[in-house]
Amino acid sequence: QVQLQESGPGLVKPSETLSLTCSVSGGSINSYYWSWIRQPPGKGLEWIGYVFPTGSTNYNPSLKSRVTISVDTSKNQFSLKLTSATAADTALYYCARDLSGSGWDIWGQGTLVTVSS
Amino acid sequence: QSALTQPASVFGSPGQSITISCTGTSSDFGSFNLVSWYQQYPGKAPKVIIYEGSKRPSGLSNRFSGSRSGNTASLTISALQTEDEADYYCCSYAGSYVFGTGTKVTVL
Repeated sequence: QVQLQESGPGLVKPSETLSLTCSVSGGSINSYYWSWIRQPPGKGLEWIGYVFPTGSTNYNPSLKSRVTISVDTSKNQFSLKLTSATAADTALYYCARDLSGSGWDIWGQGTLVTVSS
Repeated sequence: QSALTQPASVFGSPGQSITISCTGTSSDFGSFNLVSWYQQYPGKAPKVIIYEGSKRPSGLSNRFSGSRSGNTASLTISALQTEDEADYYCCSYAGSYVFGTGTKVTVL
């Protein structure tokens, strides 16, 4: 069965770039959209954006100016970069398989990223 | 784009039915019924329980049902069980995804 695993630094300094990678195992990254979703501690969910294996992307309008999501099909991975990080970006970051508008059926376990000096 | 509005908390007794509302604007929901619902236990990733408005993933209990009327989507949990105590989030797609504010369900 398909499994997702997030990886990346757990601590990022303010104004620096937050970078995470999601590794897809048990299946091919092709033919599906792949999303990043975050959840600040004790708060609700926020969709960040998705990427298709062709490299086509769609981002949350509120984050669009700072977000880049890319895909590496040779490694079966996709990645998130969020520039100019602030304390407000402190959150549990999830990667998930996107059913093209119909939500997400497979999620990673999440990785906590704290933005602090 | 603001979050969809859900009640912060809903309470119910075992065996009862509860309904969680999810209200937005016409631009939040669009023409298609691309509303999904997620159940989240503390410390766990969300799990889809309803997609495309009213469809249940394979193997999911039929105690969970979804519907929509105008700019309000609803999740109904029938025959409430203690294991249903969790946070629930709605989500709509109309060119981009927007989540609801989340509802904590407590089984008394």
